[in-house]
Amino acid sequence: DQQVKQNSPSLSVQEGRISILNCDYTNSMFDYFLWYKKYPAEGPTFLISISSIKDKNEDGRFTVFLNKSAKHLSLHIVPSQPGDSAVYFCAASEVQSGAGSYQLTFGKGTKLSVIP
Amino acid sequence: DAGVIQSPRHEVTEMGQEVTLRCKPISGHNSLFWYRQTMMRGLELLIYFNNNVPIDDSGMPEDRFSAKMPNASFSTLKIQPSEPRDSAVYFCASSSLRFTSVSTDTQYFGPGTRLTVL
Repeated sequence: DQQVKQNSPSLSVQEGRISILNCDYTNSMFDYFLWYKKYPAEGPTFLISISSIKDKNEDGRFTVFLNKSAKHLSLHIVPSQPGDSAVYFCAASEVQSGAGSYQLTFGKGTKLSVIP
Repeated sequence: DAGVIQSPRHEVTEMGQEVTLRCKPISGHNSLFWYRQTMMRGLELLIYFNNNVPIDDSGMPEDRFSAKMPNASFSTLKIQPSEPRDSAVYFCASSSLRFTSVSTDTQYFGPGTRLTVL
C-alpha cells in the first residue's frame, strides 16, 4: 500500500512556464516532507523540504506548498528551465513521533520534461 | 568531498550467483541507508544503520538479502542466491543524524548500482 503517491508519472512544460508537481500521502503521522530530483544514471539529490508546521517554503525558483487537511503537497518551479528536466520524487517522514524519524517513504516519481 | 561512493556501477550475473554491492558513505556521516528502485515499487528502504548498527531491516525482502557495516566507512549489501526478480537499481545513502525534533536530516545518495540477474 503506497503511503506516498505521485499520480502523474510524467509532465511536459514549456520553458519559462510554471511546473507543478503533485504528491498525496495517506499516513497522518507524516510531518516532514521532502522533494528529491534525479537525473539519469545519478542518485536522487535533495531539493527542498517542508515541516508540517508550515504551509509554504520557498527557495529560489522552487516553492513547496503543504495542505495538511487534504494530505497534499505540491512543488512549483517558476520559471521552468530545460535543466530542470528530471524525475522528481516526493518523500515523507515521521519526525515528531520519534519513531522512524530517520526513514523516508518515497513516491514513485514524476518525470518532468521542460521543452525549450 | 567525493560524496557517497558505490561499486560496481553495473552488475550482470546469472541466477543463483552471489552478488555483493559496496558503499562508502560520506566521511563523518553516522547513518547509512540501502534502497532499491524498481518500476513497480519505486524507491524502497531496505535497511538502515546508525553508528554502524542495523536499526531497521524490515524492508529487506527475504533472507537471501543481508547487509553489513563493519566500520563507519564501508557497507555491503549481499544477495545470495540472486534471482531475476532482484534486478533493480540499488542506492546507498548517508546522512548525519542530529536527532532533531523538527526535521529529517538530508540523505545524500550515491549514483546507484544497476543489477541485472539473468
